[in-house]
This record gives sequence, structure tokens and C-alpha cells, in this order.
Amino acid sequence: DAGITQSPRHKVTETGTPVTLRCHQTENHRYMYWYRQDPGHGLRLIHYSYGVKDTDKGEVSDGYSVSRSKTEDFLLTLESATSSQTSVYFCATLEAHGSSYEQYFGPGTRLTVT
Amino acid sequence: GDSVTQMEGPVTLSEEAFLTINCTYTATGYPSLFWYVQYPGEGLQLLLKATKADDKGSNKGFEATYRKETTSFHLEKGSVQVSDSAVYFCALTGGSQGNLIFGKGTKLSVKP
Repeated sequence: DAGITQSPRHKVTETGTPVTLRCHQTENHRYMYWYRQDPGHGLRLIHYSYGVKDTDKGEVSDGYSVSRSKTEDFLLTLESATSSQTSVYFCATLEAHGSSYEQYFGPGTRLTVT
Repeated sequence: GDSVTQMEGPVTLSEEAFLTINCTYTATGYPSLFWYVQYPGEGLQLLLKATKADDKGSNKGFEATYRKETTSFHLEKGSVQVSDSAVYFCALTGGSQGNLIFGKGTKLSVKP
């Protein structure tokens, strides 16, 4: 357990509104990730961060932006939410064990865009 | 690019039955392989992993062996329980930044 919390856990918003999801970790892990989970697609990477203010795009980054001003917090923003962004969003962090590593996941945020 | 293919579900078994969930992968280099489990309403938990060819990962009665020659990492359990009902994801390390590439998931339901 990497002490990952996500907020809010559930959100309903209207098309065109901005939305920010927060991920908070207590383990001082350098790497953090945002994934979305959709039926029939598994989890897909949206953005990731490899340090404070260091971020990069993942597979499905269009329509999303991220920020990381502190090691413990990684924010995901939908600038103008669309119905296609209705999904469950998971944050994860990376812990290294010698030459191998593991990702730990937060509990998820269920976002509905109406 | 790298990818993971796992058997489609749902899979329904009776308690104490044998479980196999197939997973094959395509990757350049030598990825680490993982099985994650997601119980209803929860996030993903690491179930087991293997970091090199012929490694066997095991946990809670589940096993999977990293087979480089067949590019496979099939999940097995000898006797499933109702509490094993969940969605299982096969994954591999997809890049130098530690990100994972997931299969689509297989939903397992175990009936008493």
C-alpha cells in the first residue's frame, strides 16, 4: 500500500465544464501516472510524471492536462469535459525494487460527464 | 508497439475448479510481466510479477510463468474460491518510464 488517495471519488459534471482530479501520495515516489479505465479497453495511460514539474503524454492524452508542483500531488485537468471522458480514473505511483519495480494504484475516481 | 492480449471473459467457474486465464504479449526488449486483480469497486492490486524469462510469480495460490519462447504469461490457480471473483489484468512494462501496458481484463465469477 503506497498511501495513495484520490479526490473526489465520484463526480458528475456537465459537458464543457472544467474538472480537476487530485492524486495524493505519502510515499515520496518519484513517478506518478494517470490512467483511465473503460469497458473493453483495460487501462490506458493518459499522462505521467517523472518528477516535480516533469510530465509527459501517454497513449490517450488529448483533452487532458496535468500538473505536479509537489512530489506528493499529481493533478489531472479536463479543460472542457466531454461525454467521451466519462470513465473511471486511476492514479498510480512507482516503487523501485532493485532492477524491478511495481506500480501501486489509488482507489479511483468515477467521473460522469452529462 | 508493445501490446498485451488476454482471453476475453467473462469466465464463470464453480468453487474448487481449476483456473487458467491466458495472456500473450508483444514487446521489444525484455519487459517485466504482471498480473493485477481488481475487486468490485476497488483499485488495482498487484497479484504477482515476473521480471525475466522462466521466472515464476506466485501469490495467494495463483501462479504464472514468464515464457519467452511462447511470449506468454498465463495465470493459473488449482482451486478457486468465491472470494477470487474479480477482474484480472495482465500487464507489461511499456517503456523506460515505468508505465504499464494492460490487457483488456478478464472478469472471473466463481459460484458456490
